[in-house]
Amino acid sequence: GENVEQHPSTLSVQEGDSAVIKCTYSDSASNYFPWYKQELGKRPQLIIDIRSNVGEKKDQRIAVTLNKTAKHFSLHITETQPEDSAVYFCAAFSGSARQLTFGSGTQLTVLP
Amino acid sequence: EAGVAQSPRYKIIEKRQSVAFWCNPISGHATLYWYQQILGQGPKLLIQFQNNGVVDDSQLPKDRFSAERLKGVDSTLKIQPAKLEDSAVYLCASSLTVPGGGDTQYFGPGTRLTVL
Repeated sequence: GENVEQHPSTLSVQEGDSAVIKCTYSDSASNYFPWYKQELGKRPQLIIDIRSNVGEKKDQRIAVTLNKTAKHFSLHITETQPEDSAVYFCAAFSGSARQLTFGSGTQLTVLP
Repeated sequence: EAGVAQSPRYKIIEKRQSVAFWCNPISGHATLYWYQQILGQGPKLLIQFQNNGVVDDSQLPKDRFSAERLKGVDSTLKIQPAKLEDSAVYLCASSLTVPGGGDTQYFGPGTRLTVL
């Protein structure tokens, strides 16, 4: 089945700096890659996603890049703010397994 | 648009007791998912329904867990008997179209289960 590895597990940045979280996946049939933000005690919320026919997608301060050859994708947050502090999960949807597999999460802390 | 609803939000039980969780998906969403999220980990899929049929339950511990979605809308997840390692947040999610398409999943607030 699909295996998603996520790094780093914790990340601290100064307010205004950029943050990058990286994920790798194992199933070459995976074709959809969402990123979720989960604040403490709350539900995971989709912040951005990318499909395998696109290499990069941007939404204001958030961007995701996908390298299908290397089977990795990354989340980039620019001009970080304290409200960006949360756990971020990457995930990969495998068309063959027909399910979403999540990474282990990155605790992002933005220091004021 | 109303989101995915779940109840209860919190549940504390003794080991070997039974417990049930309820989920109401977003109106019109054909696919419903139950995930288990252990503290410090990402959500892990337990079971996936399309309308009232099971699409994937390969990771559901069937000796103690069961789930149903009888009328293709609400769903119930049951654990009987509970073990200490079942302590986790149980998340329900739903998506609009049929499975296989990698469509956006919307999550409910979850039920935090503590087994003592």
